[in-house]
Formats: sequence, C-alpha cells, structure tokens
Amino acid sequence: GQSLEQPSEVTAVEGAIVQINCTYQTSGFYGLSWYQQHDGGAPTFLSYNALDGLEETGRFSSFLSRSDSYGYLLLQELQMKDSASYFCAVSHSGGYQKVTFGTGTKLQVIP
Amino acid sequence: GAVVSQHPSRVICKSGTSVKIECRSLDFQATTMFWYRQFPKKSLMLMATSNEGSKATYEQGVEKDKFLINHASLTLSTLTVTSAHPEDSSFYICSASRGRRSSNTEAFFGQGTRLTVV
Repeated sequence: GQSLEQPSEVTAVEGAIVQINCTYQTSGFYGLSWYQQHDGGAPTFLSYNALDGLEETGRFSSFLSRSDSYGYLLLQELQMKDSASYFCAVSHSGGYQKVTFGTGTKLQVIP
Repeated sequence: GAVVSQHPSRVICKSGTSVKIECRSLDFQATTMFWYRQFPKKSLMLMATSNEGSKATYEQGVEKDKFLINHASLTLSTLTVTSAHPEDSSFYICSASRGRRSSNTEAFFGQGTRLTVV
C-alpha cells in the first residue's frame, strides 16, 4: 500500500519562507505532487516532481529525492492568502495513474 | 489547465433517498476519473477509479452497491449515493486525468459536492 506523512500544522509569519516536508512509502512510484486546498474548496494543483531535484514555479518550489522517498514544498514571500491546507500526493502504478494523498498540512500565515 | 466541472456543489437529501453527482471534463477526454471523499479537516480518501466503458474499481472498504459509479463517456462520470444515511454526509470530489501514462502528471479536480443527509 501507500503511505505519506507530513506535519499536521505549520505557522509562519507573512513575508517569511516555510518548508513543508513529506515522506512517503509506495510501490510503482511515478512522482510527487503538491496541492493547495482552502477551506470549503477543491484541491488545486501546485507542482509535480518526477525526477530528483528542485522545481520552481514563482513563489513555490518543490523538491524530490527518490532515494530518500522524501520531498518538500517551499513557499517564499508568504502572503496571508497562502493560509490553506497543503497535500502531498504520490502518483503510482495501479492500472490507471492513481494518486494517493497525504494527511495534509494546515498552514497558518500570521501578520 | 483543463477544466473539470462537478455538479451539484451542494445537496441536502432525506435519509433513504439517492443522490447523483456528476463529474464532467469540459475540454479534454478523460479516460480515467477518480472519486474521493473528504471528511472535515481530513485528507482526500480515494473511493474508486472510474474507467470509461468498464466497471469501476473500488478501494477496499468502499461499498460498491452503495456508491454506484458510471463512466458512460469520455467526458462524464457519475457517482450515485444510494439509500443515503447521515453518515454519508461528506465532501465528495472527482478528478480526471487525460491518460494512463505517468507522463501525464496533473490531476484536475472538480469543485466538489457537499452532501448533507438529514
């Protein structure tokens, strides 16, 4: 089966940098994704890593180390609107590109 | 990005009735759609994988007779919650992918459906 672990809550100051870690166990690993979800809303895609290294998209960056089964999401220049839940998710073999989500990290940005 | 539309966004039904939720891919053909359930402040739990033209694949612990899934076309999948009970109240979300290969990395999500059974 698949399992993913991430911190349940993180608090950071507006304008700062925060890193959300994710460790995973899976078979047939394809890649690691990150999603943002505001309260009451649907998840929105942030990034995807299939290969080791850092991917940068604006203020958000995502890192993957396949040998360590570890990744992180880095948010820079935090804004109040970044307060949300962040989920890591593994894409893995399962016949049809299955995506299994982690437990989610509630990020609270404070002034 | 691609657009996935889910309808209705909110529904309240009486206990014992059935509710149908639709998931449509508006600008691409979705060979596979996924149905998730999310409890408050919890993660998304995969319920089933919906494959166009074939039976859905259900995750362990999900009652296939209670959660009926139909994927009649490449743009539409439906989830019917049959004989709904208050414990079925939840946030249901569908997602769609364009293909089966790992190179297609992004899952496109519908807006979600908040089901309340009274």
